[in-house]
Amino acid sequence: NAGVTQTPKFRVLKTGQSMTLLCAQDMNHEYMYWYRQDPGMGLRLIHYSVGEGTTAKGEVPDGYNVSRLKKQNFLLGLESAAPSQTSVYFCASMGAGNEQFFGPGTRLTVL
Amino acid sequence: GQQVMQIPQYQHVQEGEDFTTYCNSSTTLSNIQWYKQRPGGHPVFLIQLVKSGEVKKQKRLTFQFGEAKKNSSLHITATQTTDVGTYFCADSTGGTSYGKLTFGQGTILTVHP
Repeated sequence: NAGVTQTPKFRVLKTGQSMTLLCAQDMNHEYMYWYRQDPGMGLRLIHYSVGEGTTAKGEVPDGYNVSRLKKQNFLLGLESAAPSQTSVYFCASMGAGNEQFFGPGTRLTVL
Repeated sequence: GQQVMQIPQYQHVQEGEDFTTYCNSSTTLSNIQWYKQRPGGHPVFLIQLVKSGEVKKQKRLTFQFGEAKKNSSLHITATQTTDVGTYFCADSTGGTSYGKLTFGQGTILTVHP
């Protein structure tokens, strides 16, 4: 099993550009999450999904949109990137014991 | 909303010394989870504490949940260079609803050989 995978690993955007981050999990988990990690601030929840076709806002949702069209995939979109969105983005899914399994992350820089 | 404070932010130790990180909240925590993130890596689940006063051990790691469920700690005995990384505590916001986690800021551990 690959677990949780994320693409791309790195990306540089210019202000105003758009992009989509893809998260995939092969563990048949219902719940999936998108976090951003900034120095000294831990991980903050952006959006989450409790099943195919459903999404909800987390702590810092502004400037992001998500979709969960298939159970195994959770997409995070930035419609108009801003320098404040420079961060490391992690996707996670939740196992049966409430533990979260994280992907390797996407390092995004917005110039 | 729920805030989880973690101290210290940084800890430098010599190999063989002990290390402790603390997680505190002004409100009652639901469940506490601990994660480890190696430099350049992703968070990896270590353990979950559920009960008041609970103590769990994993080899050299000891995890405690306070009696009032407002604090938790992770203690590493005789640190090794493989223990280097950032240790996060996380509270399950609103009980176990949807598994949402509120993370502390993390403690960055450096181990000098």
